[in-house]
Amino acid sequence: QKEVEQNSGPLSVPEGAIASLNCTYSDRGSQSFFWYRQYSGKSPELIMSIYSNGDKEDGRFTAQLNKASQYVSLLIRDSQPSDSATYLCAVNRGNQAGTALIFGKGTTLSVSS
Amino acid sequence: GAGVSQSPSNKVTEKGKDVELRCDPISGHTALYWYRQSLGQGLEFLIYFQGNSAPDKSGLPSDRFSAERTGGSVSTLTIQRTQQEDSAVYLCASSNRRGQTGELFFGEGSRLTVL
Repeated sequence: QKEVEQNSGPLSVPEGAIASLNCTYSDRGSQSFFWYRQYSGKSPELIMSIYSNGDKEDGRFTAQLNKASQYVSLLIRDSQPSDSATYLCAVNRGNQAGTALIFGKGTTLSVSS
Repeated sequence: GAGVSQSPSNKVTEKGKDVELRCDPISGHTALYWYRQSLGQGLEFLIYFQGNSAPDKSGLPSDRFSAERTGGSVSTLTIQRTQQEDSAVYLCASSNRRGQTGELFFGEGSRLTVL
């Protein structure tokens, strides 16, 4: 079982729709969860971090964490063409603070105008 | 500089040669990571340095790969006897969240091509 799994997509949504991106992880001791966005040819940049069960909202983005199900998701409301990118889920390894951050392979999102 | 600096930005080498990739993290950041990204793929974890602790080398794909971090700052990733499958973008990232896995700031990467 891979440490962090994502559907590679592509996920295609029309402009203005909600895009839902999902991620599962294998290590029950993981404590820190992140969503990064990577435009083609660029380096990843942080969108959201979440550490506790439940929802965390930041503008058009909502991260959802369910540790019991080992599941993290990212919702993008009112999707824009500029949101078209690869979204990477990242999870820290182990149940200790300050451990390596492991990335999934990413989900490619395409927002059509 | 203000961000993570990596050099060289591009490196073309012949199979069997050794290469060194350099990363200069953001000043004061205690954590430093190396990742590898092949075309169209996700980020493959290679190695993680945190302060003075022993590095987590669990992601290094073979003993041809090694990395060091001198003085808690600059890091060098060395690939010996390069193979064509080593061709990828090597990304370095640093973080300042002491004791926790925090936000990573990435460099622009070093693109390695092995002919």
